[in-house]
Amino acid sequence: QSALTQPPSASGSPGQSVTISCTGTSSDVGGYNYVSWYQQHPGKAPKLMIYEVSKRPSGVPDRFSGSKSGNTASLTVSGLQAEDEADYYCSSFAGSNACVFGTGTKVTVL
Amino acid sequence: QVHLVESGGGVVQPGRSLRLSCAASGFTFSSFGMHWVRQAPGKGLEWVAVISYDGSNKYYADSVKGRFTISRDISKNTLYLQMNSLRAEDTALYYCAKDYLLWSFGWGEDIWGQGTMVTVSS
Repeated sequence: QSALTQPPSASGSPGQSVTISCTGTSSDVGGYNYVSWYQQHPGKAPKLMIYEVSKRPSGVPDRFSGSKSGNTASLTVSGLQAEDEADYYCSSFAGSNACVFGTGTKVTVL
Repeated sequence: QVHLVESGGGVVQPGRSLRLSCAASGFTFSSFGMHWVRQAPGKGLEWVAVISYDGSNKYYADSVKGRFTISRDISKNTLYLQMNSLRAEDTALYYCAKDYLLWSFGWGEDIWGQGTMVTVSS
C-alpha cells in the first residue's frame, strides 16, 4: 500500500487552469475506476471533489474535472479562483480491499 | 443536516489503548460503509480502515492490521475504532468519513467529521 505520487505543488493565476497528476500502478489507479479527489483547506476536513475518476458530487463546480490514462489520474481546475487555493489529494482503491491516498499537492493561486 | 462528530482522542502512552467514537446523524447510517482516515501533523491523508453498511466486512491498512478494530453500532448510529498497542507513529488527527456508495464500497468519502486528535507519547 504505497502512497500514490503527486507533485508537491502547482500554481496558476486567476482564470487560468491547473492540472494535478496522481501516479500509481496497475494494482491501484490503473486497475480500477475508483479514483477520488479531495480538497482540503488549512485546518479543515477534506471535501470530496471527484469520485469514480470523473464524476462530480452535487454542489461541486464544473470547473473541477477528472480523468485517467493508464496508471495516472488527473484533476484539472479551470478558471482558477482564489478559494481554490488548498491542498488536493487523490485516492484509489488498491485491491485487496484497501485504499491508498496520494502524497498531496498544494495549489497556489498567484 | 448530515453530521459526523468524532470523540475519544487524547494523549496516551506507547503500548496503551484508546477507543474513538463517531456519532452520525442526518443520513441512514445503516445503509453506508464507513471509513477512518488519519492525518499526522503537517502530513498527508492515510486511509486506516473501512466497515460495510451492516458491519459484516471490515478491512484495514497494513500499518494498523492486528492492532486496530473498526466496529459500528447501528442502534446508536455510532462508529468506533479500537486502537491497541499504540505507537508514536499513530499520532494523528483521526477522521471518520461516510462512503458515498449505497450498500457497497465506492472507496471514496463524501461526508467527513472534524476529527479527533490522538497523541501517542511517553
